[in-house]
Amino acid sequence: GQNIDQPTEMTATEGAIVQINCTYQTSGFNGLFWYQQHAGEAPTFLSYNVLDGLEEKGRFSSFLSRSKGYSYLLLKELQMKDSASYLCAVRGGGGNKLTFGTGTQLKVEL
Amino acid sequence: ETGVTQTPRHLVMGMTNKKSLKCEQHLGHNAMYWYKQSAKKPLELMFVYSLEERVENNSVPSRFSPECPNSSHLFLHLHTLQPEDSALYLCASSLGLADSYEQYFGPGTRLTVT
Repeated sequence: GQNIDQPTEMTATEGAIVQINCTYQTSGFNGLFWYQQHAGEAPTFLSYNVLDGLEEKGRFSSFLSRSKGYSYLLLKELQMKDSASYLCAVRGGGGNKLTFGTGTQLKVEL
Repeated sequence: ETGVTQTPRHLVMGMTNKKSLKCEQHLGHNAMYWYKQSAKKPLELMFVYSLEERVENNSVPSRFSPECPNSSHLFLHLHTLQPEDSALYLCASSLGLADSYEQYFGPGTRLTVT
């Protein structure tokens, strides 16, 4: 089976930088996704990592270390609209399923 | 604007009712998914369809019955549900089943079983 851990909640200040961590255990690994979900809305795709290293996309970056079973999502220049739940999801294991973590609820304050 | 639509957005049903959830994707994708999202729990994959064939049935009770008449439409037929089935039901689609293809989600149907 697969196990994904990420913090339940985080709070950060507008304009700051925040790092949301995700650790996983899986019997096979074929990639890691990050999604953003605002309250009452659909999850939206942020990033995909399959090789070790940092992928940068505007204010958002995602890092992967396969040997450590670890990823993080880095959000720079935080804005109030970044307040949302951030879901880490891993593809792998039996059936190559996409398994989601419980999500990290980020609150951005003034 | 999302290319995946779901109707209804909200549904309240009794345990003896029969209802259906509808999902439509306008993205030309070949794979479609049903997920259940309950409070404080991870998204749970229920069903996967690829080119209208069911490729995944994730140990879902038979009171949930999916139907995929074509690659653009996906239904979830509900009957004799239980209160613990109350949740947000999300539909998603992707270009295919390859590892790197991200999934595009619809806004979900908020289901309450009374």
